[in-house]
Amino acid sequence: GENVEQHPSTLSVQEGDSAVIKCTYSDSASNYFPWYKQELGKRPQLIIDIRSNVGEKKDQRIAVTLNKTAKHFSLHITETQPEDSAVYFCAAASGGSYIPTFGRGTSLIVHP
Amino acid sequence: GAGVSQSPSNKVTEKGKDVELRCDPISGHTALYWYRQSLGQGLEFLIYFQGNSAPDKSGLPSDRFSAERTGGSVSTLTIQRTQQEDSAVYLCASSPRLAGGPKGQFFGPGTRLTVL
Repeated sequence: GENVEQHPSTLSVQEGDSAVIKCTYSDSASNYFPWYKQELGKRPQLIIDIRSNVGEKKDQRIAVTLNKTAKHFSLHITETQPEDSAVYFCAAASGGSYIPTFGRGTSLIVHP
Repeated sequence: GAGVSQSPSNKVTEKGKDVELRCDPISGHTALYWYRQSLGQGLEFLIYFQGNSAPDKSGLPSDRFSAERTGGSVSTLTIQRTQQEDSAVYLCASSPRLAGGPKGQFFGPGTRLTVL
């Protein structure tokens, strides 16, 4: 089955800095890669996703890049703000299985 | 429109009792998932429903856990003879099943289960 590794487990940055969270996956058939943000005590929410037919996708301050050859994808947050503080989960899913495999999460702390 | 809802929001029970957790997915979403999240941990997949197909139960941790989905909509997760290690937040998520492969999931607020 699919295995998703996520790093780092904790990331601490100063407000205004950039943050990068990286994930690797094992199943070359995976073709859908969503990212979820979970604030303390709240539900996970989809913030951005990418499919394997593109290499990069942006939405305002967040972007996701995908390297299919190396089987890794990353979340980039620019100009971080305190409200970006949360746990971020990456996931991978293939067209043959609609059950995504989640990474273990990254706790992002943005210091004002 | 309305999002995914779950009830109860909190449930405290005694060890050995049975509990039922309910999930109302977004209308029209044919895929429904149950996850378990222990404090400070990731998302543990439990079970997946898709339309009228047989559910994928590969994530259920023991035969004390079961789930149903009636009429392709509301789902109930049942835990029999609860144990203290069952204490966690149980999250439900739904997703549309459209052409083009998997889609993002919409999560409910969760049910926090505490087994004393």
